[in-house]
Amino acid sequence: NAGVTQTPKFQVLKTGQSMTLQCAQDMNHNSMYWYRQDPGMGLRLIYYSASEGTTDKGEVPNGYNVSRLNKREFSLRLESAAPSQTSVYFCASSEALHWEQYFGPGTRLTVT
Amino acid sequence: AQRVTQPEKLLSVFKGAPVELKCNYSYSGSPELFWYVQYSRQRLQLLLRHISRESIKGFTADLNKGETSFHLKKPFAQEEDSAMYYCALNGEYGNKLVFGAGTILRVKS
Repeated sequence: NAGVTQTPKFQVLKTGQSMTLQCAQDMNHNSMYWYRQDPGMGLRLIYYSASEGTTDKGEVPNGYNVSRLNKREFSLRLESAAPSQTSVYFCASSEALHWEQYFGPGTRLTVT
Repeated sequence: AQRVTQPEKLLSVFKGAPVELKCNYSYSGSPELFWYVQYSRQRLQLLLRHISRESIKGFTADLNKGETSFHLKKPFAQEEDSAMYYCALNGEYGNKLVFGAGTILRVKS
């Protein structure tokens, strides 16, 4: 039981490049989330998916898109990376909204 | 709007000393509050939630609606308590967990 997994662990992009961060959970959770963690700002919600087939914007959605591929997988896409998107990205899941969230190990992204 | 404030970026205490990590929130309804912890090289994980009213690893937190606070306390700090601590709020009508900026706790020997 791996819990929440994320790939890749590290990534360096040049400004304007695109990439997709992958997240999968094996806990049969309905809800999944993407956060970014920046020094002094805590974790900020980018997008979330309350259940399979739905996605909603969080606090900082600009520059990102998401896909809830199935119940297990929730990907985050940067279409045209910018230096301001340099951050650590965390995926999380929960049985339902308002329930305890389980976090992945994070992806450290640097955009130069 | 939901907001969580953790006024201290860093709290440094000696082993055996009491610890209090401050958390204040802004929300007009009935909030649900959590403390999450991230130890070095480990994932962010739930430490405790106010509705459970339980003590985890010696930590407790009491919701004070009058002062809109949810401070995390431990009477005697241990070195293994060193970590980043996040306070988080989920409003009754909101679907989103709002995190504070986090406090680094360093317990010195």
